[in-house]
Amino acid sequence: GQSLEQPSEVTAVEGAIVQINCTYQTSGFYGLSWYQQHDGGAPTFLSYNGLDGLEETGRFSSFLSRSDSYGYLLLQELQMKDSASYFCAVRTGGFKTIFGAGTRLFVKA
Amino acid sequence: DTEVTQTPKHLVMGMTNKKSLKCEQHMGHRAMYWYKQKAKKPPELMFVYSYEKLSINESVPSRFSPECPNSSLLNLHLHALQPEDSALYLCASSQDRAENSPLHFGNGTRLTVT
Repeated sequence: GQSLEQPSEVTAVEGAIVQINCTYQTSGFYGLSWYQQHDGGAPTFLSYNGLDGLEETGRFSSFLSRSDSYGYLLLQELQMKDSASYFCAVRTGGFKTIFGAGTRLFVKA
Repeated sequence: DTEVTQTPKHLVMGMTNKKSLKCEQHMGHRAMYWYKQKAKKPPELMFVYSYEKLSINESVPSRFSPECPNSSLLNLHLHALQPEDSALYLCASSQDRAENSPLHFGNGTRLTVT
């Protein structure tokens, strides 16, 4: 089977740093992506890791270790607007992308 | 605002109705997708069109019928749906099949089947 595991909920305070982990087990692997989705909105692309290591985009960073089938999304200097669901997603081949169940992030003042 | 536009935003239909969902993108993307998302669940792939040809059908029931009239438009025709088909239907596009080509989602059509 194919699975992506990520925590269901994370709570943090404004200004803090939070890490959302994702472990995956898929039949094919062509990269790990992260998407953000606010309630009632569309998923929006945040980052992509095709190779091992850290990718940084502003306050967001993403990490991948292919040998461990593991990645994480790091959000720094949290803001209230970061409260949303975050999905890790694996491109398994061709046009297929499988999404994790999502992590709901609650940012408190 | 997203660069993928979906209409209508909301749709309520009976089980005997026929309706269509529409999606449009003008980014020159050659792959277009339909996803279904239930509340508090991840998006699930339904169909993929590549260069206007159906590339993937994830064993979707025939009461859902996709159509790609041209490279910018994607439709999903609905007929004889069931209440359990109520969900958010998301259209997405990507530049191509490259692994680092991200999905660009529309805001979705929230469908309620009564």
